Amino acid sequence: EVQLVESGGGLVQREGSLRLSCAASGFTFSSYWMTWVRQAPGKGLEWVAAIKPDGSEKYYVDSVKGRFTISRDNAKNSLYLQMNSLRAEDTAVYYCAGMSYWANEYWGQGTLVTVSS
Amino acid sequence: QSALTQPPSASGSPGQSVTISCTGTSSDIGGYDHVSWYQQHPGKAPKLMIYEVTKRPSGVPDRFSGSKSGNTASLTVSGLQAEDEADYYCSSYAGSNTWVFGGGTKLTVL
Repeated sequence: EVQLVESGGGLVQREGSLRLSCAASGFTFSSYWMTWVRQAPGKGLEWVAAIKPDGSEKYYVDSVKGRFTISRDNAKNSLYLQMNSLRAEDTAVYYCAGMSYWANEYWGQGTLVTVSS
Repeated sequence: QSALTQPPSASGSPGQSVTISCTGTSSDIGGYDHVSWYQQHPGKAPKLMIYEVTKRPSGVPDRFSGSKSGNTASLTVSGLQAEDEADYYCSSYAGSNTWVFGGGTKLTVL
């Protein structure tokens, strides 16, 4: 059974930092592109970042460039999102997802990040 | 990286068909056959329903179908059932290893 379990969310002050983790199991993690997708309260989905299977290339939505860093540890079947200089508009549920055929095939249950001002 | 455009709501009676549109540009939907659709029930994670415009993952009922014409993709749900009531999101590859989602459509089964 495929499982993606996010952790690390919580309440953080504006300009603070937080590191999200996503533990994967049940599929060949090292072969998959992985992404982070977020959803602000009551709002739609927003693609945030993606990373190649070997971690050599990383891509971001413009609004987080220079502040967020996606990374992975294939030996630990884990995905990470380091979030710095957090803003109120970063408040959202953050999902990690495994991509196949350019689509998010596997999803975690999400972790809530709340940025207070 | 502008969001794709979806109608905020759609509805239909049980047994009927409903189609949800998703409009982008030649830089995303029109440029690639990498359109996907997701179903999200309240408080739950999204679920992949359609990928590569028309393909269904294993386990997704064939009542769900996808299509694309130019810069607009569509999701059709046939034989509506009560459990189909949910939010639906389209997504497209937008080039340079970036992706974009639509704003979402709330589907109500009357």
